[in-house]
Amino acid sequence: EAQVTQNPRYLITVTGKKLTVTCSQNMNHEYMSWYRQDPGLGLRQIYYSMNVEVTDKGDVPEGYKVSRKEKRNFPLILESPSPNQTSLYFCASRYGRWETQYFGPGTRLLVL
Amino acid sequence: AQTVTQSQPEMSVQEAETVTLSCTYDTSESDYYLFWYKQPPSRQMILVIRQEAYKQQNATENRFSVNFQKAAKSFSLKISDSQLGDAAMYFCAYSPDLQGAQKLVFGQGTRLTINP
Repeated sequence: EAQVTQNPRYLITVTGKKLTVTCSQNMNHEYMSWYRQDPGLGLRQIYYSMNVEVTDKGDVPEGYKVSRKEKRNFPLILESPSPNQTSLYFCASRYGRWETQYFGPGTRLLVL
Repeated sequence: AQTVTQSQPEMSVQEAETVTLSCTYDTSESDYYLFWYKQPPSRQMILVIRQEAYKQQNATENRFSVNFQKAAKSFSLKISDSQLGDAAMYFCAYSPDLQGAQKLVFGQGTRLTINP
């Protein structure tokens, strides 16, 4: 089954404790992105990647890092999480520039 | 900067009736893509419909159709014969037609309630 998977689905952590949210897709997609969703703001793009070792900032990259060492994986790294990073995070992938994005199930993060 | 605006935070409709969700956007580009995504309580993001700006014909997917007015920068979603399973948050989104562009700009969302 074609899908985008994210882990963990739920995470409670404390300020400053480094964490990684994994994202993996099994569709051989070149393009992958990370978004965060906050009430009243919709989804905002954090980072995106056009292929292995090619990443760039989206609209809200501060406090986040990403890496794309393999085509299928695109982890989101929070080096020193802060409470304002409490949010719902989505990973997404697509094959080509104009193809439909497939979203993962979301990761709900709470930073205390 | 491109922006997407959904002016209706909440909408409700009787089951089997028709409802229209509004979306306007701001861009200086001439070619771009527009999308409607549905987010049910499960929080998954599901593509409902897609419209290419260069196409004059409005996109249709079963009970879902759009009214794309390029000059007015308007992209509304019409749901016909509303069903209880249509209850969800709906997001309008814009993507520019630029080389290597990965940008997808979302509106704030409209929560749709279906009354039985």
